[in-house]
Amino acid sequence: GAGVSQSPSNKVTEKGKDVELRCDPISGHTALYWYRQSLGQGLEFLIYFQGNSAPDKSGLPSDRFSAERTGGSVSTLTIQRTQQEDSAVYLCASSVRDSSTDTQYFGPGTRLTVL
Amino acid sequence: AQSVAQPEDQVNVAEGNPLTVKCTYSVSGNPYLFWYVQYPNRGLQFLLKYITGDNLVKGSYGFEAEFNKSQTSFHLKKPSALVSDSALYFCAVRGDTGRRALTFGSGTRLQVQP
Repeated sequence: GAGVSQSPSNKVTEKGKDVELRCDPISGHTALYWYRQSLGQGLEFLIYFQGNSAPDKSGLPSDRFSAERTGGSVSTLTIQRTQQEDSAVYLCASSVRDSSTDTQYFGPGTRLTVL
Repeated sequence: AQSVAQPEDQVNVAEGNPLTVKCTYSVSGNPYLFWYVQYPNRGLQFLLKYITGDNLVKGSYGFEAEFNKSQTSFHLKKPSALVSDSALYFCAVRGDTGRRALTFGSGTRLQVQP
């Protein structure tokens, strides 16, 4: 079946612009996660959604970052007033449930470059 | 807080030889441990996980991992390496309380030489 998909695959933007990154989770998965992979910081958690519960935003690095998940499916990560340190690969993952034992399946990522 | 350490930035092994990629963890409560592999310009692919039960876990592509509670380790192993195994490997942990997100190690690059 279809895996997690993300778009765009690459995004180049100028410092100060806003960007939107999209994630389509695996159908039927109720939990959705955003991570960031950068050279200096490795893989770090940003935010996660589970069903209709309030999202866990504890990993967002600043208030320039926000995310929403509409209809319990597609999610959009928005970065406002981008900075060069925001350059990274943004990975989305989904799992069947919000359970510690469930496997998270990752999408191919969006490579963001801020000039 | 939970954490993962992958002490080797890179592991080099000859094709056909056994390989080990090391991982140690720290977590409150029961640990749930995962290994992922990342090929260039790709996302993370799930290899295997330890939830409970048998300490030796078998996964995809002939990989296995051994859970050792006393040493808080979860080393990834393969009896015979292939050149195509060359990639970046991540160990991750999650506890049974608190945040559901994974905490990842810094990654180990495996280089298998022909």
